[in-house]
Amino acid sequence: QSALTQPASVSGSPGQSITISCSGTSSDVGKYNLVSWYQQHPGKAPKLMIYEVNKRPSGVSNRFSGSKSGNSASLTISGLQTEDEADYYCSSLVDTSSVMFGGGTKLTVL
Amino acid sequence: QLQLQESGPGLVKPSETLSLTCIVSGGSITTTGDYWGWIRQPPGKGLEWLASISHSGTTYYSPSLKSRLTISLVTSKNQVSLKLDSVTAADTAVYYCARDIGSGGAADYWGQGTLVTVSS
Repeated sequence: QSALTQPASVSGSPGQSITISCSGTSSDVGKYNLVSWYQQHPGKAPKLMIYEVNKRPSGVSNRFSGSKSGNSASLTISGLQTEDEADYYCSSLVDTSSVMFGGGTKLTVL
Repeated sequence: QLQLQESGPGLVKPSETLSLTCIVSGGSITTTGDYWGWIRQPPGKGLEWLASISHSGTTYYSPSLKSRLTISLVTSKNQVSLKLDSVTAADTAVYYCARDIGSGGAADYWGQGTLVTVSS
C-alpha cells in the first residue's frame, strides 16, 4: 500500500492561483468521493481544508477548492497569500477500510 | 469547543509497548457518527494514518501496522487509547489524535501532538 502521489513542492506569487495534485488508484481516490486536504504549518497540527473532495469546513476561506477526476484529485488555492505557505497533504479512504495520506507538498509563496 | 490532548511517555525503549492516551473535552467520545483516530508524523516526514474507532467501538487499522496496534475507547474517562507493540526506532514520531467526522478520514479537530522517541 503506497502513499498517494503528490508533487514535493509548488510555488506561486501572491495573488496567483496554484493547484496541487494527488494521484491515487481505482482502489482509493478513484473509488470513493472521500478525499480530504490538510494544511500544516511548521510545528503545528494539520488543519482540515477540504473534505469529501470539494466541501469546505466552516471557517475555511473560499479561496481553497477541491476537485477530482478519475484516480486523481486536486487542491486549488486562488489569490495566494503569504500565510498560505505551508505543507499540504491529501488523504483518501482506501479499499481496506483504512486511510492513506499523500506524501505532502511544500507550498512556497514567493 | 472540542479539545483533544495527547498524553504519552516521551521515551520508549525498543521492543516495548507504546501506550498513548487522547483526553477529549468539550464533547463525548460516544456521540453518534463520530470517529476517533490516531495519526503520526516522523520528524521531518509526512503524515501516516494509524487507526480509528467509531463511537460504538468499531475499529479500523492501517494494514501495515495492524498486527501491532490496538485502539480503544475508555468511555468512563472520555478518552481514546492507542497501544503499539514491539516498537523500533522507526516508530519515533509525533503522534496526533483527531476526531474524524466519518467521511473517510476527514479529521476536523486535532490534538497538539506528542513526540515519542524510541531509544535505549
